[in-house]
Amino acid sequence: AIRMTQSPSSFSASTGDRVTITCRASQGIRGYLAWYQQKPGKAPKLLIYAASNLQSGVPSRFSGSGSGTDFTLTISSLQSEDFATYYCQQYDNNPPTFGQGTKVEIK
Amino acid sequence: EVQLEQSGAEVRKPGESLKISCKGSGYTFTNYWIGWVRQMPGKGLEWMGIIYPGDSDTRYSPSFQGQVTVSADNSITTAYLQWSSLKASDTAMYYCARGMRSNYYYFDYWGQGTLVTVSS
Repeated sequence: AIRMTQSPSSFSASTGDRVTITCRASQGIRGYLAWYQQKPGKAPKLLIYAASNLQSGVPSRFSGSGSGTDFTLTISSLQSEDFATYYCQQYDNNPPTFGQGTKVEIK
Repeated sequence: EVQLEQSGAEVRKPGESLKISCKGSGYTFTNYWIGWVRQMPGKGLEWMGIIYPGDSDTRYSPSFQGQVTVSADNSITTAYLQWSSLKASDTAMYYCARGMRSNYYYFDYWGQGTLVTVSS
């Protein structure tokens, strides 16, 4: 199975900060990558699919980029509601696999 | 509005069987895949399996093949995840989600989750 590694695993940031989360695949996955946000006690929510396509209804401060093995999720100006855990997921190979998650905490 | 409504929390003993459900509404149930994702306590997400209700085509992650069964009843727009013999290590939150196929699958809408606790 393809291993997805996110970095960092957690970090603290302030409202208004620009933040970037990285996801690296153990082998090339072309552009078949999704990003999800999960808040405590809630189901994950799709933010980005196909590496850079914003899901309908997701604020434009979220963006994704990358191809092959290296991908990033960027939040241009962190809002209070963005403190959560973020997961990447590849869907190029079977089985689809998730990264271990990146927890964004309030500084 | 697309909604996936999951059945309530369950407590079972090791060795018992269990079937949890996920009812889809607000879209044509037979036109979209429905998958299941496990989240063990304090851990990340694991892709388990997926079904296409339109023709019952079912795919499993190798890690879950033979351990669970995914099924669907189109007459009541409901998908299921079942175990024949639970283990303590099956204790987890289980999410159903609508699958979008592009090569393999990602999920655009999620249920609220069903907590399964297996304890003697």
